[in-house]
Amino acid sequence: GNSVTQMEGPVTLSEEAFLTINCTYTATGYPSLFWYVQYPGEGLQLLLKATKADDKGSNKGFEATYRKETTSFHLEKGSVQVSDSAVYFCALSEFYFGSGTKLNVKP
Amino acid sequence: DTGVSQDPRHKITKRGQNVTFRCDPISEHNRLYWYRQTLGQGPEFLTYFQNEAQLEKSRLLSDRFSAERPKGSFSTLEIQRTEQGDSAMYLCASSSWDTIYFGEGSWLTVV
Repeated sequence: GNSVTQMEGPVTLSEEAFLTINCTYTATGYPSLFWYVQYPGEGLQLLLKATKADDKGSNKGFEATYRKETTSFHLEKGSVQVSDSAVYFCALSEFYFGSGTKLNVKP
Repeated sequence: DTGVSQDPRHKITKRGQNVTFRCDPISEHNRLYWYRQTLGQGPEFLTYFQNEAQLEKSRLLSDRFSAERPKGSFSTLEIQRTEQGDSAMYLCASSSWDTIYFGEGSWLTVV
């Protein structure tokens, strides 16, 4: 069946640190993969997506590459800011979401 | 604002009562989704519509839950005989292709 597993949080980093949030999946077929972000007090919003193997999604300095060989879609950012503090969700198609990883960035 | 809107935003109800949530999707989006989210978890898919047709339902959607989208525009999610375990945020989302836009959710507390 289909499922998504992402690393548990919270993740606490200092400003300008490098960020990786791991996400792995199991899937039948070749679904699209997504990262969503939920800022405090707001709804989920799409951060980036990739629709096929080896695609790289990017937005606001965040990147993730659809790796079929490792069934992964890890989220990375080279230099985080305090404003990136939020909960991040990895998703496989519209139907399967990870449990979320809370990121706290300290000044 | 032309995003996905949900109503009410918060609902407190007594166990055994019925509740109904409404979702207005982004205009012209033909797909509409309902999810449930509890604290510390990601959204769990409940059901979705393509226009007015309900195409898929999760096994999470017990027979106490019913969703409609009568004219392919707004949708309602009704929970009958609410239980404490139904306490959660109910999220609605819409899409026209593979990018989903979420509403801010409707919080349900069953006491």
